[in-house]
Amino acid sequence: EAGVAQSPRYKIIEKRQSVAFWCNPISGHATLYWYQQILGQGPKLLIQFQNNGVVDDSQLPKDRFSAERLKGVDSTLKIQPAKLEDSAVYLCASSFGPSSYNEQFFGPGTRLTVL
Amino acid sequence: GQQVMQIPQYQHVQEGEDFTTYCNSSTTLSNIQWYKQRPGGHPVFLIQLVKSGEVKKQKRLTFQFGEAKKNSSLHITATQTTDVGTYFCAGDQAGTALIFGKGTTLSVSS
Repeated sequence: EAGVAQSPRYKIIEKRQSVAFWCNPISGHATLYWYQQILGQGPKLLIQFQNNGVVDDSQLPKDRFSAERLKGVDSTLKIQPAKLEDSAVYLCASSFGPSSYNEQFFGPGTRLTVL
Repeated sequence: GQQVMQIPQYQHVQEGEDFTTYCNSSTTLSNIQWYKQRPGGHPVFLIQLVKSGEVKKQKRLTFQFGEAKKNSSLHITATQTTDVGTYFCAGDQAGTALIFGKGTTLSVSS
């Protein structure tokens, strides 16, 4: 079974530039999560999708971050404009269902460096 | 808001020694999950605990959920170099998203 795919794996940009990350979840997983993991911290949920609908985006900085999952499969997370404090690993995860009881499967992440 | 605290932040042991990490919440949790993240890797699910006082074992790993469902622990017996990594607990109140702790980073010297 293929795992969660993410691209790119690494990205270096300058502050105020834009960047986009892509995620393809495990086939059949209706729930998709985007997390931000700052060095030395645990993953912090940015947004959770159930199919193509948003379940929780309470911690998404909506003035600069946006995410979509138009067809209920793959998803894109965008940052515009980036700030220095956005340097982190952006992890995508998926699970079979939306309940917090479900095991989450993480992708390899995208390491973003903002200079 | 809900927080999940983990201690210690770092632990170094000699191979063969035991290791324990603790997870505490200010609120009652409906379930707690443990994940392991190897250096440079991504979090990988280890186990889920749901019932008060639950104890689960996976080979050398023992997981416990407290009676009040506010704390949990992970104990590794006779550590090996393959146990190196950061161990995260993640908990939730019913109907809310999982909150991850900051993790305990384990290093093992042979």
